[in-house]
Amino acid sequence: GESVGLHLPTLSVQEGDNSIINCAYSNSASDYFIWYKQESGKGPQFIIDIRSNMDKRQGQRVTVLLNKTVKHLSLQIAATQPGDSAVYFCAEASQAGTALIFGKGTTLSVSS
Amino acid sequence: NAGVMQNPRHLVRRRGQEARLRCSPMKGHSHVYWYRQLPEEGLKFMVYLQKENIIDESGMPKERFSAEFPKEGPSILRIQQVVRGDSAAYFCASSPKQGNSGANVLTFGAGSRLTVL
Repeated sequence: GESVGLHLPTLSVQEGDNSIINCAYSNSASDYFIWYKQESGKGPQFIIDIRSNMDKRQGQRVTVLLNKTVKHLSLQIAATQPGDSAVYFCAEASQAGTALIFGKGTTLSVSS
Repeated sequence: NAGVMQNPRHLVRRRGQEARLRCSPMKGHSHVYWYRQLPEEGLKFMVYLQKENIIDESGMPKERFSAEFPKEGPSILRIQQVVRGDSAAYFCASSPKQGNSGANVLTFGAGSRLTVL
């Protein structure tokens, strides 16, 4: 089975709201996590990453939180905009592995 | 600086034909990864290659699928005797080093969408 998954397949928010997208992983050996954004008809685009020795990392309007105790990862998007509408994937990797493993994705819909 | 280039973007094949998908990594990247994405699903790892070497093919179907990354030219994902279940988007990604450490984030191409009639 998959080692990375997301709690909700879809999330609908109003423009200006904050969005929180969640992800649960099961591989305790994973030590590197990435969030990707995929717009319709395009390839995944890197948003932000975090290593397992960190709990939180902030970017521009985005924050990733990592809770290793419960194997949970979240992506927070501040002041969500219509352009944020896309499918969001979390992915994990370990030093012993060779490739990123992706979850199924959450579709974020932002209405004006 | 062009990103990861994939072609064709769209490919239609009839059952039993062969499909060849090409991927040119970003300049300076020597590691290539192929992923498959079925409709409404996430990306599934297929194969990881370096120049002239297959490093990890644990995600490749045992039959009909093959991949190569020659010394010169793009990486090729080849699907022989395609079936309808092969219809999917195939994404290529590249990195300058092995893509499981923080410094070597995978950069993805726009994908090749295969439709098998």
